[in-house]
Amino acid sequence: QTVVTQEPSLTVSPGGTVTLTCASSTGAVTSGHYPNWFQQKPGQAPRPLIYNAINKHSWTPARFSGSLLGGKSALTLSGVQPEDEGDYYCLLYYGGAWVFGGGTKLTVL
Amino acid sequence: EVQLVESGGDLVQPGGSLRLSCVGSGLTFKNYWMSWVRQAPGKGLEWVANIKEDGSEKYYMDSVKGRFTISRDNAENSVYLQMNSLRAEDTAVYYCATNWRVGYWGQGTLVTVSS
Repeated sequence: QTVVTQEPSLTVSPGGTVTLTCASSTGAVTSGHYPNWFQQKPGQAPRPLIYNAINKHSWTPARFSGSLLGGKSALTLSGVQPEDEGDYYCLLYYGGAWVFGGGTKLTVL
Repeated sequence: EVQLVESGGDLVQPGGSLRLSCVGSGLTFKNYWMSWVRQAPGKGLEWVANIKEDGSEKYYMDSVKGRFTISRDNAENSVYLQMNSLRAEDTAVYYCATNWRVGYWGQGTLVTVSS
């Protein structure tokens, strides 16, 4: 069974920079996994942030960026705002099926 | 304005069946792969199934294969999830979503499997 692994929790100060990562149990994450990133706040539906590893949606704030880094997919937040606090999920493609990571709870403190 | 609206969630006994619906508006529905994603209470997101634009391809997560069936009716701008042999672990909010590049999600419908 394929497992996608994210950091369970991270803490960042307002104005700081933080990188969330997404690893695959099958090996290096590549563009062929079409990595996606989502933000979710309590009681709300997930909000897409990044698709195909690096592409932003029209509503994605400029401070969010996606990359492939060291065999993982990464989401970097630069100049973190208090409203960035929430849960972040990555999603990877495995030949027809998709698998979410377990999520990272980001605290802005 | 694009909207996806799920319905059909309910309380059902283990072993029972339920059919979820998702209706889209404000988008050319027939142009998009559609997915169902679920989230158990207090847990993370879980991709459940998806279906190609014309319905010719369907994929499922392992734990629902043989129990759940995804389908669509492009004339009705709708995608469905037929859920049979429901288990307690299927309890979750079920979201429908367009393909990830387009990025639209509904607000979800709650399915509770309990006796």
